[in-house]
Amino acid sequence: GQQVMQIPQYQHVQEGEDFTTYCNSSTTLSNIQWYKQRPGGHPVFLIQLVKSGEVKKQKRLTFQFGEAKKNSSLHITATQTTDVGTYFCAGPLGGSYIPTFGRGTSLIVHP
Amino acid sequence: NAGVTQTPKFQVLKTGQSMTLQCAQDMNHEYMSWYRQDPGMGLRLIHYSVGAGITDQGEVPNGYNVSRSTTEDFPLRLLSAAPSQTSVYFCASSFGGNHINEQFFGPGTRLTVL
Repeated sequence: GQQVMQIPQYQHVQEGEDFTTYCNSSTTLSNIQWYKQRPGGHPVFLIQLVKSGEVKKQKRLTFQFGEAKKNSSLHITATQTTDVGTYFCAGPLGGSYIPTFGRGTSLIVHP
Repeated sequence: NAGVTQTPKFQVLKTGQSMTLQCAQDMNHEYMSWYRQDPGMGLRLIHYSVGAGITDQGEVPNGYNVSRSTTEDFPLRLLSAAPSQTSVYFCASSFGGNHINEQFFGPGTRLTVL
């Protein structure tokens, strides 16, 4: 079936190192969303990308949407301990109104 | 605004018991949905609604029922609880239509079925 796949599942970094998570869809997406979930918390919306090749930045976070609108990435520059959590991508598959979530990438930052 | 609220926060059930997880939102959102989160499995869609009186199945609907009689409320019913339904349940809502469909999540209900 249609899927949203995300890698890696876990990533350990030393504080100050960069981090990237990748998201791939089996089909073309009308948009891609990214969420962050802190340990013990609920997912919180970060951003939505809509256009082919779109790049958006939020401070140390850079989000990209691929040219074919089937893949996306989130890059964090110089990680901090406050970046700890699980990052999810989500996109509407098959014309659905509701996004399908990837399995997430858990970021662990070692001080 | 309270946003999306869920009750209870924690629940322990015995196999075969039934219960209702409550979800309410005060943002006048059209879309509401229920997800379950299991370790390593991400967020899987159980049921969703695009407006009062309209519901549909998600990826993992078996064993769950929903109804949407008002815009504000979207309860999730477990008909006969099974250990496989042990999970964290999140309710979410969004504006719908052509808006940026940011999903607003509730704080979650941690359910254990013994």
